[in-house]
Amino acid sequence: DGGITQSPKYLFRKEGQNVTLSCEQNLNHDAMYWYRQDPGQGLRLIYYSQIVNDFQKGDIAEGYSVSREKKESFPLTVTSAQKNPTAFYLCASSRQVQETQYFGPGTRLLVL
Amino acid sequence: GQQLNQSPQSMFIQEGEDVSMNCTSSSIFNTWLWYKQDPGEGPVLLIALYKAGELTSNGRLTAQFGITRKDSFLNISASIPSDVGIYFCAGQLGGTASKLTFGTGTRLQVML
Repeated sequence: DGGITQSPKYLFRKEGQNVTLSCEQNLNHDAMYWYRQDPGQGLRLIYYSQIVNDFQKGDIAEGYSVSREKKESFPLTVTSAQKNPTAFYLCASSRQVQETQYFGPGTRLLVL
Repeated sequence: GQQLNQSPQSMFIQEGEDVSMNCTSSSIFNTWLWYKQDPGEGPVLLIALYKAGELTSNGRLTAQFGITRKDSFLNISASIPSDVGIYFCAGQLGGTASKLTFGTGTRLQVML
């Protein structure tokens, strides 16, 4: 069954902690993306990766880091430098960067 | 980063009614996409438009790519309760460094 999986569904973080959100796809897509969604707003791009071992900053990359060591995986780390991390995080992938993006189910991050 | 303007922000309609929403931009796009997001889930692609003036249908949904390339419209005919959700437009310029720019969303609620 092909698709994009994100885990966990809900994640709690203490102040000052780094947390890593998982995103896996078995669609054989080259490009992967991370978005942040806040209540009542659209999606804002954090980072994207066109191909393995490559990634680029999006519009709101500060306080976040990513890696792309495997084609199937694009984990996002929310660092302690991100002052307002509570949000819904969405991962997406596309066959190539200029093609249609498909989204995972999302991870909701809450700061305690 | 830029966000597209969607209107209306929210709407309550009676079951069976037709729905119209639109999305406008200050800059042109070469691709327009419409997504639907259910609460706590990732957006699901509804319709993709690739050519100015194009009119495309997907069941009860019809979307148009504005002739100026700065706007797009989505219509839903004979609404049903499962149409409830948030509808997002997204524009894409194209090319190897292309990113999606998302609208602010239209929240649709259907009264029985």
